[in-house]
Amino acid sequence: SAVISQKPSRDICQRGTSLTIQCQVDSQVTMMFWYRQQPGQSLTLIATANQGSEATYESGFVIDKFPISRPNLTFSTLTVSNMSPEDSSIYLCSVLPRFRENTEAFFGQGTRLTVV
Amino acid sequence: KQEVTQIPAALSVPEGENLVLNCSFTDSAIYNLQWFRQDPGKGLTSLLLIQSSQREQTSGRLNASLDKSSGRSTLYIAASQPGDSATYLCAALLSGTTDSWGKFQFGAGTQVVVTP
Repeated sequence: SAVISQKPSRDICQRGTSLTIQCQVDSQVTMMFWYRQQPGQSLTLIATANQGSEATYESGFVIDKFPISRPNLTFSTLTVSNMSPEDSSIYLCSVLPRFRENTEAFFGQGTRLTVV
Repeated sequence: KQEVTQIPAALSVPEGENLVLNCSFTDSAIYNLQWFRQDPGKGLTSLLLIQSSQREQTSGRLNASLDKSSGRSTLYIAASQPGDSATYLCAALLSGTTDSWGKFQFGAGTQVVVTP
């Protein structure tokens, strides 16, 4: 299994500012992902965080708005830039420990972001 | 594109009753299916992982079945308790190319309330 520490757990931010969310895993993992959960909605994948290279973004998400870093196999950050109230969501980090089809996915406790 | 549907969207039962939560997916080409629990404003807790070669998986009062041919999975919770109140999400791990590895398609969830 993998234990994920995600920080901050919640924040209230002013529009136009940026927030960086950290995801720390207690062991080396193959894959790390960032998801967004808008109020009352299910989870939507933002991007795959690639170690040592640029993240791979899903349709509708761009690097300028959601820059992601992954300097090693245990840590990643997601920045929400130039925030607006529409960015108010729960942001979740997820990991797949191994590159195998029967690998269980684990999630952090999420960052609840409110933009005012 | 893979679509995952969960029925019902909400469910309220008295304590002690058994819960049956349904998940259907449109594309049988999945690696595995995972059930999660989410408490309000929190992250996801993994409940059960069913590999594509398995028909069911059990953990305590929880049992999940998988029928890939019909595109269905069912989560059974026996003898429900008020502490089981939460939103339950199913997620299909998508098969495909290396670029799509590790991506989940989530259902919208079933919100469960167990009354004392």
